[in-house]
Amino acid sequence: AQSVTQPDIHITVSEGASLELRCNYSYGATPYLFWYVQSPGQGLQLLLKYFSGDTLVQGIKGFEAEFKRSQSSFNLRKPSVHWSDAAEYFCATTENYGGSQGNLIFGKGTKLSVKP
Amino acid sequence: DVKVTQSSRYLVKRTGEKVFLECVQDMDHENMFWYRQDPGLGLRLIYFSYDVKMKEKGDIPEGYSVSREKKERFSLILESASTNQTSMYLCASTPRPNQPQHFGDGTRLSIL
Repeated sequence: AQSVTQPDIHITVSEGASLELRCNYSYGATPYLFWYVQSPGQGLQLLLKYFSGDTLVQGIKGFEAEFKRSQSSFNLRKPSVHWSDAAEYFCATTENYGGSQGNLIFGKGTKLSVKP
Repeated sequence: DVKVTQSSRYLVKRTGEKVFLECVQDMDHENMFWYRQDPGLGLRLIYFSYDVKMKEKGDIPEGYSVSREKKERFSLILESASTNQTSMYLCASTPRPNQPQHFGDGTRLSIL
């Protein structure tokens, strides 16, 4: 079965520092990849998506992600973190086959804390 | 912007009660989903629907059922609520498979 792995459960960075959240996916000749953010008590908001083409994808709130097929990775980055970026971040891909084809498969999330 | 509305943000019910969670989307999306979210477990798919009156089991359907009588509305039903169903429930919709899903704000359900 396909899976998405986010190796870091919790990350703390200082405000103004750079950020990289890791995501690895299994299988998928042409994976569809997504990053979502969830603020406390809220639903998930789409940050960015990758379907094909340029492997560096720009998203909202100053985030970007880079697709690296050789590493099966889709890491999320931000050059300078703001206190309002404190949230939980989810990486996702889509199921490739079977009755659930096209459904999202989520990683377990990375919680980001921001130090003043 | 797509709007997915869940009827309650917080809900407290008692063991054995029949519980209804409602979700409405305003973008004529074909596909709708119910997830539950628990700390350390991420999002787990309960049920999904590709069309009116159609439903498919997700990864954890036991103890739940769903109803989709109209395209815009997808209801999650806990037939006889139990304490292990205390969780955050998230509804989502998408126009078609492989597209981003749009989420509601969630319902935090407590079963006492």
